[in-house]
Amino acid sequence: DQQVKQNSPSLSVQEGRISILNCDYTNSMFDYFLWYKKYPAEGPTFLISISSIKDKNEDGRFTVFLNKSAKHLSLHIVPSQPGDSAVYFCAARGYGQGNLIFGKGTKLSVKP
Amino acid sequence: GAGVSQSPSNKVTEKGKDVELRCDPISGHTALYWYRQSLGQGLEFLIYFQGNSAPDKSGLPSDRFSAERTGGSVSTLTIQRTQQEDSAVYLCASSLNRDEQYFGPGTRLTVT
Repeated sequence: DQQVKQNSPSLSVQEGRISILNCDYTNSMFDYFLWYKKYPAEGPTFLISISSIKDKNEDGRFTVFLNKSAKHLSLHIVPSQPGDSAVYFCAARGYGQGNLIFGKGTKLSVKP
Repeated sequence: GAGVSQSPSNKVTEKGKDVELRCDPISGHTALYWYRQSLGQGLEFLIYFQGNSAPDKSGLPSDRFSAERTGGSVSTLTIQRTQQEDSAVYLCASSLNRDEQYFGPGTRLTVT
């Protein structure tokens, strides 16, 4: 059973608009959440993270929101740029654990 | 500085043969992780090394899979008697702490 779910396999957004990528999780023992971006034929690149004690973390154009009661997090990219086109993975880490549990990814396409 | 490197970048092998995949982590990183990504799937955790502690092998799918980390640095993932379902991209990551993991470009394994 998937513990981290990204229910939208793809998302298309116009350049300059906001991109919102969503992620749901089932395990209440997750204490740290991360977003990674992946281009074809490359390894995932760390983007932004959030601890379970916070509800928002912002870094430039990227903001991650965490709603623990709903077990939901989202990544906002504003304004979106064509270079943001990639597959975005949501990941979570359990308390005391080292490994990450990943969702299946959402492919973002930003159209000029 | 240099990132995580993996070799080979591509490996084609016949069913039943053994393969070895290599990972060179970022210098100074104490933690090293192996994941794999099958087609259309998220990243699946395999094994985690942290310093001199016993590795967390809980993600290894069968006893055909094993990994070593020599001298706290380079790691080798070995798959014995490969099967077609072992075909995937094998990704290595390293981290200084348990938060941000930095990934290599991966090894694409194809079992024919």
